[in-house]
Amino acid sequence: RKEVEQDPGPFNVPEGATVAFNCTYSNSASQSFFWYRQDCRKEPKLLMSVYSSGNEDGRFTAQLNRASQYISLLIRDSKLSDSATYLCVVTNAGGTSYGKLTFGQGTILTVHP
Amino acid sequence: DTGVSQDPRHKITKRGQNVTFRCDPISEHNRLYWYRQTLGQGPEFLTYFQNEAQLEKSRLLSDRFSAERPKGSFSTLEIQRTEQGDSAMYLCASSLKKDPTEAFFGQGTRLTVV
Repeated sequence: RKEVEQDPGPFNVPEGATVAFNCTYSNSASQSFFWYRQDCRKEPKLLMSVYSSGNEDGRFTAQLNRASQYISLLIRDSKLSDSATYLCVVTNAGGTSYGKLTFGQGTILTVHP
Repeated sequence: DTGVSQDPRHKITKRGQNVTFRCDPISEHNRLYWYRQTLGQGPEFLTYFQNEAQLEKSRLLSDRFSAERPKGSFSTLEIQRTEQGDSAMYLCASSLKKDPTEAFFGQGTRLTVV
């Protein structure tokens, strides 16, 4: 079983739609959680951190449920420019491994006119 | 450009040849990571350095792979006797020790082994 699992999609949605991505992680010692965005043939870039209290950045809302080991990302009012692969990422608790990122396989989103 | 830079951006090599990639991190970042990404997958951790010390290596890093960061600045990743399965994007990232979770990635080196 992979440490971080995501539905690979692809998700094809029209502009203006709301889309939600889910992710589960298997290591209960995981410490920090993120969503990264990766455009085609480019490097991953941090989209947002994810906190238990939930956090919002404009049209993007991320949630973490530690009890269920579940992370989500909600995108409202989708734009064409949101088309990308969204990577769910965790890091493990402290020690020398802290900072080492464990990625899910990514969820492909295509927003069409 | 003050971001993470990687060189070369693309490399095509014949099976059995050795290749070396370079990563120049953001100058004040003392942590440097190497990841590998194959098509349709997320990046997978290979190894990381804190300054010049290599602190962890993944089991993915076979004996044919070696990484160095001799002066705690740039790093090199060498693959000896390349195999077709080594074809992938090799990504480098750097971060500050005090906030190792905020890593900045380079644009990667895309390796194709023919």
